Amino acid sequence: ETVLTQSPTTTAASPGEKVTITCRASSSVSYMHWYQQKSGASPKLWIYDTSKLASGVPNRFSGSGSGTSYSLIISSIESEDAATYYCQQKSSDPPWTFGGGTKLELK
Amino acid sequence: EVQLVESGGGLVQPGRSLKLSCVASGFTFSNYGMNWIRQAPGKGLEWVAYISSGSSYIYYAETVKGRFTISRDNAKNTLYLQMTSLRSEDTALYYCARRNNYYVMDAWGQGASVTVSS
Repeated sequence: ETVLTQSPTTTAASPGEKVTITCRASSSVSYMHWYQQKSGASPKLWIYDTSKLASGVPNRFSGSGSGTSYSLIISSIESEDAATYYCQQKSSDPPWTFGGGTKLELK
Repeated sequence: EVQLVESGGGLVQPGRSLKLSCVASGFTFSNYGMNWIRQAPGKGLEWVAYISSGSSYIYYAETVKGRFTISRDNAKNTLYLQMTSLRSEDTALYYCARRNNYYVMDAWGQGASVTVSS
């Protein structure tokens, strides 16, 4: 089973700042997906196949990475981006594990 | 519009059973694999179970294997999760989620709350 470790666990940024969230896999994975979950709401697909933005996701978001290290990057954070972000490895085989989540707060 | 609506949650005593349902609309349900994912209070996401579009492939997390059963009725556009021998650690919000061809969960329901307590 591949374990996904996200960092930081929590972070705070001011509007306009750049934010990077990292997801490290215990073994190499082909692609990474990312989900956004706002407080009290269901998760939403945010980025899939490492770098493809889901429908409606602002282009200030991007994804990158390969092997065991992947990142979700926000070029210029806005208030609406406050949420918890989860990574999940792309795999055809179970278990489909998630990272522990990164809570992003706005200062 | 794709919609997934869970129901069947509630308060149940340890050792008892509960069955969740998820009604799908806005897409051809029989074309998609489906998942149950749960989230304990204040915690992260945990994948629970998966069933392929035609029910040929079924997988479970080790934490629920032997106690939970996932099933579906494509004629009724409904996904199920039968939970038995419930434990306090099964307390969570249970989401159904659609899996697309990219092996990603691209649609989620609003969740059904399950509380296991005496």
